[in-house]
Amino acid sequence: AQKITQTQPGMFVQEKEAVTLDCTYDTSDQSYGLFWYKQPSSGEMIFLIYQGSYDEQNATEGRYSLNFQKARKSANLVISASQLGDSAMYFCAMREAVYNQGGKLIFGQGTELSVKP
Amino acid sequence: ETGVTQTPRHLVMGMTNKKSLKCEQHLGHNAMYWYKQSAKKPLELMFVYSLEERVENNSVPSRFSPECPNSSHLFLHLHTLQPEDSALYLCASSHSTTGESYEQYFGPGTRLTVT
Repeated sequence: AQKITQTQPGMFVQEKEAVTLDCTYDTSDQSYGLFWYKQPSSGEMIFLIYQGSYDEQNATEGRYSLNFQKARKSANLVISASQLGDSAMYFCAMREAVYNQGGKLIFGQGTELSVKP
Repeated sequence: ETGVTQTPRHLVMGMTNKKSLKCEQHLGHNAMYWYKQSAKKPLELMFVYSLEERVENNSVPSRFSPECPNSSHLFLHLHTLQPEDSALYLCASSHSTTGESYEQYFGPGTRLTVT
């Protein structure tokens, strides 16, 4: 079964507008972590933001925020005031803690975001 | 050098060649990882090392052989590869393999083409 689902293969957003990238996950673990990474065309995966399953507040890092809805098992990434440099692939990932599997991150298929000037 | 570095950035090799990918982390982390990223597929974890000891081997073919001589260096030795092994190979490191909160920091990747 797919553990991380990103249903939007591609998204477009106008510069300076906000955009939401969807991510749903599947786990029976009570303790887990959710991550978002950005991958520009250069290939490097850049860590953006982390949300722990027990965190009551939604995580925020600058223009990035994570809309965490635990009951719905969703962890959507919100990028505010989009910039041209935000054009990239975005990956949602999860790490489960009970059977840690050596720190294994499970990645979704990714969403390609294009920011229009 | 800062972060995680990988060399070479691009590699073209024949099916009978032997080559090695190198990864170095300058973050003082104890865990290192190899991932494979093929087109249209999610990242696949290949190997995990914690304090130079392999803790995960995700059913990777034996033509891929990892080596971790110390906590800062990780190699992936390649031999008799197949064209379907062409992909982006990403190295990552993290503080630890335990706990759910430690983010992994990735290198820029090696784009491998097998001809």
